[in-house]
Amino acid sequence: QMRLQESGPGLVKPAETLSLTCSVSGDSIDDSGYYWGWIRQPPGRGLELVGVVYATGTTYYSPSLKGRISISLNTSKNQFSLKLTSVTAADTAMFYCVRHPSRGALFGVVDRWGQGTLVTVSS
Amino acid sequence: EIVMTQSPATLTVSPGERATLSCRASQSVSGKLAWYQQKPGQAPRLLIYGASTRATGVPARFSGTGSGTEFTLTISSLQSEDSAVYYCQQSNDWPWGFGGGTMVEI
Repeated sequence: QMRLQESGPGLVKPAETLSLTCSVSGDSIDDSGYYWGWIRQPPGRGLELVGVVYATGTTYYSPSLKGRISISLNTSKNQFSLKLTSVTAADTAMFYCVRHPSRGALFGVVDRWGQGTLVTVSS
Repeated sequence: EIVMTQSPATLTVSPGERATLSCRASQSVSGKLAWYQQKPGQAPRLLIYGASTRATGVPARFSGTGSGTEFTLTISSLQSEDSAVYYCQQSNDWPWGFGGGTMVEI
């Protein structure tokens, strides 16, 4: 059974860097059939795609976060990670790690979700 | 960047009635449109992809239609467990953005 599990600090200070890791089980992140990504959801608000990384390491980021965001693969641990720099209170959100098929009718759709981890930006 | 707009923001429907949710894209997404259901405290769940294909295990009362820029999610004969927020998402062009959501209240 394929599973995604987020981990990382639940509290980050303003101007610091938010770092999260997603551990993948039941699938291999170097499988070319998928993109691996992050979606965030501020409290009481909608979903925002943060960015994705492909099995080759190619990344695509949200234009609104470009310059502050980095997503990378760690194939030896079957994990992928998110770093968001210079955070403010506006970055407070539930962060979900997700899987997007890279081909066929399900291209770009989120077919697997982690349970989510709440990150609060506060001093 | 393709902007996804959902309407209405909130829909109140009685049990057994039909709910019709709309999603409009600012430019054509060529049928690459998905719908998700999110209940409080849970991650979203994929309902529909390719505008009209139900995901595995999704009840037949959920159906999707549309093409180009106009899409509809219909929930026929609403049940109490369908109370949730519904999001559309396009995957035709990066960034694969979401609509703002429609809350369905029963």
